[in-house]
Amino acid sequence: DSGVTQTPKHLITATGQRVTLRCSPRSGDLSVYWYQQSLDQGLQFLIQYYNGEERAKGNILERFSAQQFPDLHSELNLSSLELGDSALYFCASSVGPGDKNSPLHFGNGTRLTVT
Amino acid sequence: DAKTTQPNSMESNEEEPVHLPCNHSTISGTDYIHWYRQLPSQGPEYVIHGLTSNVNNRMASLAIAEDRKSSTLILHRATLRDAAVYYCILRGTNYGGSQGNLIFGKGTKLSVKP
Repeated sequence: DSGVTQTPKHLITATGQRVTLRCSPRSGDLSVYWYQQSLDQGLQFLIQYYNGEERAKGNILERFSAQQFPDLHSELNLSSLELGDSALYFCASSVGPGDKNSPLHFGNGTRLTVT
Repeated sequence: DAKTTQPNSMESNEEEPVHLPCNHSTISGTDYIHWYRQLPSQGPEYVIHGLTSNVNNRMASLAIAEDRKSSTLILHRATLRDAAVYYCILRGTNYGGSQGNLIFGKGTKLSVKP
């Protein structure tokens, strides 16, 4: 058990809809990262927050947004959903802002299916 | 970007050692070498990391070449539960926008035969 909690585990929704994925980091971790994994793209970094502030941005679409709250949990909002957004979405956490000498700990993901 | 090269797939027999290679010829002096694995239907799992010296932990050992251009993840006794995709990742400055995030390649898919 990594200590990172993601909810819900599964989500099925229709095109054009909006969903919110939630992540609680490991106790004591201040950074949260979001990744997308689809069959054809592999694991893609989306965005990182550290102590409530955006720290780094990857291949995140404009239809997607995220935030980290004062209690350090994070939410990833996906809107105007398309079929191609169907994927596994993983959250990870780490202690600091991105120390290359410390590991990331991943949750078990939310599987999003857009129909 | 500093890249790593791994075989697409490897096979092992249960209870035998497994050596998973990784080439990273463009590694810079301050890059750490990280290994993660992803079991089916789970999130990536941290395995081990190192800078220059060999490292051991309860899961595996990491052997780093003297010139740091390659490394090997060693599973001392493979079990069926070790069947996963193993990712070798360099973690340094300014990869993918910040040193914080991990850039995953395709990894090595390890199969373990009973």
